Amino acid sequence: GENVEQHPSTLSVQEGDSAVIKCTYSDSASNYFPWYKQELGKRPQLIIDIRSNVGEKKDQRIAVTLNKTAKHFSLHITETQPEDSAVYFCAASSGGSYIPTFGRGTSLIVHP
Amino acid sequence: GAVVSQHPSWVICKSGTSVKIECRSLDFQATTMFWYRQFPKQSLMLMATSNEGSKATYEQGVEKDKFLINHASLTLSTLTVTSAHPEDSSFYICSARATGRTEAFFGQGTRLTVV
Repeated sequence: GENVEQHPSTLSVQEGDSAVIKCTYSDSASNYFPWYKQELGKRPQLIIDIRSNVGEKKDQRIAVTLNKTAKHFSLHITETQPEDSAVYFCAASSGGSYIPTFGRGTSLIVHP
Repeated sequence: GAVVSQHPSWVICKSGTSVKIECRSLDFQATTMFWYRQFPKQSLMLMATSNEGSKATYEQGVEKDKFLINHASLTLSTLTVTSAHPEDSSFYICSARATGRTEAFFGQGTRLTVV
């Protein structure tokens, strides 16, 4: 089955800095990679996703890159703000069932 | 759009009783729903995949007779924790995927405490 590794487990940055979270996956058949943001006590929210036919996708201050050859994908947050503080989960899934396998999560702390 | 509602948000029950948790897609039809268990500061552990009109597929190590899943309509899946014990206390969360789509959206979760 799929195995998703996520690093780092904790990331602390100053407001305005950039933050990068990296994930690797094991199943070369995976073709859909969503990212979720979970604030304390709340549900995970889908913030961005990427499919395997695209190498990069941007949405305002967040972007995701995908390297299919190396089987890794990353979340980039620029100009971080305190409200970006949350746990971020990456996931990978493959066509057909699209059952997502989640990484262990990254706790992002943005200091004002 | 893509709103998933989970009920109840929290529940306290006595050992030995059963608890039912509902997951509803409010503005879309969800052929597939997923049930997760999340421990504090940990990731989402997939328990089972629920498909409308068919039996749920359980992940290895998850007791299907203890965690009963019913997906009787395109907008509702239920998880029943039977004969609950304190070790079943956890945060249970569902997600739903619209028919023909890849994105999945989460409910707000249910905090179950078994005393």
